[in-house]
Amino acid sequence: AQSVTQLGSHVSVSEGALVLLRCNYSSSVPPYLFWYVQYPNQGLQLLLKYTTGATLVKGINGFEAEFKKSETSFHLTKPSAHMSDAAEYFCAVSDRGVYSGGGADGLTFGKGTHLIIQP
Amino acid sequence: SAVISQKPSRDICQRGTSLTIQCQVDSQVTMMFWYRQQPGQSLTLIATANQGSEATYESGFVIDKFPISRPNLTFSTLTVSNMSPEDSSIYLCSVEWAPNYGYTFGSGTRLTVV
Repeated sequence: AQSVTQLGSHVSVSEGALVLLRCNYSSSVPPYLFWYVQYPNQGLQLLLKYTTGATLVKGINGFEAEFKKSETSFHLTKPSAHMSDAAEYFCAVSDRGVYSGGGADGLTFGKGTHLIIQP
Repeated sequence: SAVISQKPSRDICQRGTSLTIQCQVDSQVTMMFWYRQQPGQSLTLIATANQGSEATYESGFVIDKFPISRPNLTFSTLTVSNMSPEDSSIYLCSVEWAPNYGYTFGSGTRLTVV
C-alpha cells in the first residue's frame, strides 16, 4: 500500500520568496503523483501531475515539481510567492492499475500543508 | 476536463437519519470515487464505484454504513446511513476524466450531523 508524507503542516513564506512544499511517498511500484490546491471553502484543483516522462513537471500558477525516484520525493516549488497562493496544498499518489487490473485507482493523500504568505 | 455536479452542497441532518449525495458527470467514466474530508483533515478514499458491479470499499468503511449506487457511466450516489455527529465531514466524488490526465473533484457536500 502506498503512503504520502507532507513535511510541515504549516509553511510560512514572505511574498516574493521561494515556496517549497515537501512531499515524500512510499509505493511498491512507480507511482503517479499529484499536487492539489484547496482554497478556503472551495473544492480541489489540480496543480500538476507526474505520470511518465520528464521528471520536472510544470503546473498552473507558476508551480512546478520534480519527481526524484531515488529520494521518493515530489516536492512542490514556486520561485516567487504571491498573496493569492495562500491555501491548503495536498500531495497525492496513485498506484495506477496495480489494484484495479489496469483501471484507475483512487488517490492516497498526504495530510496537507497550509501555506501562509506574509506581506 | 470532466465537469462534476454534486448535490446537495450542504446539509444539516439529525442523528440516526440518512442522507444520499448525488454525483453527476458530464461525460462517461468507468470509475467514480468517493472521499471523506473530516474537519481540518485530509481526504480519505471511501470507495471506488465501477458501473455494473458492487463498489469496492477501503479499510474502515463498510457498505451498510456507506451504500453506493452506480446505475450508469455518468452518475453515482453515496448514502451516509444512521448518521452520528462523527459523520460530520465534507464528502466528495471524483473521476479520472481521461487516462493520465488527473482526477477531477466535485465541489463537495458539507454534512453536519446534530
